[in-house]
Amino acid sequence: NAGVMQNPRHLVRRRGQEARLRCSPMKGHSHVYWYRQLPEEGLKFMVYLQKENIIDESGMPKERFSAEFPKEGPSILRIQQVVRGDSAAYFCASSGGRNTEAFFGQGTRLTVV
Amino acid sequence: AQRVTQPEKLLSVFKGAPVELKCNYSYSGSPELFWYVQYSRQRLQLLLRHISRESIKGFTADLNKGETSFHLKKPFAQEEDSAMYYCALVHGTALIFGKGTTLSVSS
Repeated sequence: NAGVMQNPRHLVRRRGQEARLRCSPMKGHSHVYWYRQLPEEGLKFMVYLQKENIIDESGMPKERFSAEFPKEGPSILRIQQVVRGDSAAYFCASSGGRNTEAFFGQGTRLTVV
Repeated sequence: AQRVTQPEKLLSVFKGAPVELKCNYSYSGSPELFWYVQYSRQRLQLLLRHISRESIKGFTADLNKGETSFHLKKPFAQEEDSAMYYCALVHGTALIFGKGTTLSVSS
């Protein structure tokens, strides 16, 4: 079991481009969480998904950000028209259930230039 | 509002010295708290949770509801304890993290 896999590890985008961050949960896990860590800040919850469903998106910015976790394939965090303020580390975690331990990926570091 | 505060950004100690990483929380209700650790170039991983009352790698943490604290302690620090430590609080379906404390243990 390779654990939670995130790719790419590093992503550079110009302002206005789209960023797609991928997260493959641990085998057997159907719950995925996305967190964002801005420089000098703690991890901030963005969204919680189960297969094909968004359960809680209370931490997602209202515009430009979206997330999905399709029946097949990884979870995708999509940021449209990126701005410099989107530069951050984005972490994904997966668990086998709502109240079970969550395992984290190594993160994707997004830099907007 | 639910909040986790880790007042120290950096804590530097010598090997063998006691360590206390502070964590205070704000939560209306019965809190569920965790400590996560991130070693250099590794992913964030669960260290311990208050429910289990366990000791992991010599670390313990006691929930003090009166002081709304969940400080992480170890009586004798080791160099391999050097890492980033995050305190986290369960809120609904998510974890609320503190900003983290870097622990540096030197010989």
